[in-house]
Amino acid sequence: QVQVVESGGGLVKPGGSLRLSCVASGFTFSDYHMKWIRQAPGKGLEWVSYMTGSGANMYYADSVQGRFTISRDNAKNSLYLQMNSLRDEDTAVYFCASMGKYDNEKNWIEDVQHWGQGTLVTVSS
Amino acid sequence: DVVMTQSPLSLPVTLGQPASISCRSSESLVWSDGNIYLSWFQQRPGQSPRRLTYKVSNRDSGVPDRFSGSGSGTDFTLKISRVEAEDVGVYYCMQSTRWPFTFGQGTKLEIK
Repeated sequence: QVQVVESGGGLVKPGGSLRLSCVASGFTFSDYHMKWIRQAPGKGLEWVSYMTGSGANMYYADSVQGRFTISRDNAKNSLYLQMNSLRDEDTAVYFCASMGKYDNEKNWIEDVQHWGQGTLVTVSS
Repeated sequence: DVVMTQSPLSLPVTLGQPASISCRSSESLVWSDGNIYLSWFQQRPGQSPRRLTYKVSNRDSGVPDRFSGSGSGTDFTLKISRVEAEDVGVYYCMQSTRWPFTFGQGTKLEIK
């Protein structure tokens, strides 16, 4: 049974920090690139960041570059998002999800995606 | 950044009738490996997004075969052959060929 569960959301003041966690089970976590996607209230989906399976490479949207840091602990099947210098416009539901993986022949495989239920981050004074 | 433009943004459909959503990218989505990394997502009210198709036309496991994706280059389409009540929600196209990966604005499907 595959599960992806986010936690760590809450209410924080502008300029504050928050750390989101995502724990996965039911698939080989370390094989998969993982991503954070967010959705502001009543709005569409926005990429935030993603990290390769090994943790060697990470990528950020311009809107969060320099303020957010993605990391993972494959021994704990966990993905994290450290969010600093939070702004009102960071208010959103943050989703954690798998992306895809490379097979033994270095072909990109994205045959399945697993999403969590999301965690709400509210930035407000 | 690659801009993804969906149309229509609102789609009222009668139950049992077909539906079609268009997605246009501002540049080619063909990657160096020859693949096109264009996906479609469904988000039902109050739920997390769910991927329906990937690499233009590959349907995800468990997705009904009334959903189909097609297209090439910069023009892509999601078709629903016969709309059912459970299809209500917002549909997004997404490109993951060039970073930053980007979503379309979303198309809200409702039942007439």
